[in-house]
Amino acid sequence: RKEVEQDPGPFNVPEGATVAFNCTYSNSASQSFFWYRQDCRKEPKLLMSVYSSGNEDGRFTAQLNRASQYISLLIRDSKLSDSATYLCVVRSNYQLIWGAGTKLIIKP
Amino acid sequence: GAVVSQHPSWVICKSGTSVKIECRSLDFQATTMFWYRQFPKQSLMLMATSNEGSKATYEQGVEKDKFLINHASLTLSTLTVTSAHPEDSSFYICSASVRSSYNEQFFGPGTRLTVL
Repeated sequence: RKEVEQDPGPFNVPEGATVAFNCTYSNSASQSFFWYRQDCRKEPKLLMSVYSSGNEDGRFTAQLNRASQYISLLIRDSKLSDSATYLCVVRSNYQLIWGAGTKLIIKP
Repeated sequence: GAVVSQHPSWVICKSGTSVKIECRSLDFQATTMFWYRQFPKQSLMLMATSNEGSKATYEQGVEKDKFLINHASLTLSTLTVTSAHPEDSSFYICSASVRSSYNEQFFGPGTRLTVL
């Protein structure tokens, strides 16, 4: 089993739709959780950290369920510029463990 | 925010040659730098962690004699792929962190290596 697993994708959705990404992690002692965004042939960029109480940043909402070892990212009112690969990242034993990413394609 | 640069951004070389990739933190001192490799449609894989002035810690399965890492200063780390082969073709990304791995990692733009 992979340490961090994500939906394989790609997700093809129309502009304006709501998109949900799911992620599970295997190490129950993991300390921190993040969502990164990676554009094609570019480095990953931090989108948001994920807190136990859930957190929101504009159109983006992240949630964490430690009991289920599950992380989610919701994008509302999706824009063309949201097209990218979304990476779930977990800090375990002071290392960042990366999911394979889910590619999102927003269609006009 | 903190800026990390990498050089070169892409390189094409013949099999058997060595390639050096530089990673620099431009506006902060990075006590720890990380080197990742990413194959197409796969996740980032940590290759090694280096702390300034000490030997790098390599992840399991990464050959330290093939991937030479030098972190001689607080702003520069280098990765040398020795005797590169086509299977070494990948996207190499460095990141830098201040003080410890507890802190956010700032990523360089990556180097795309193609070995013919």
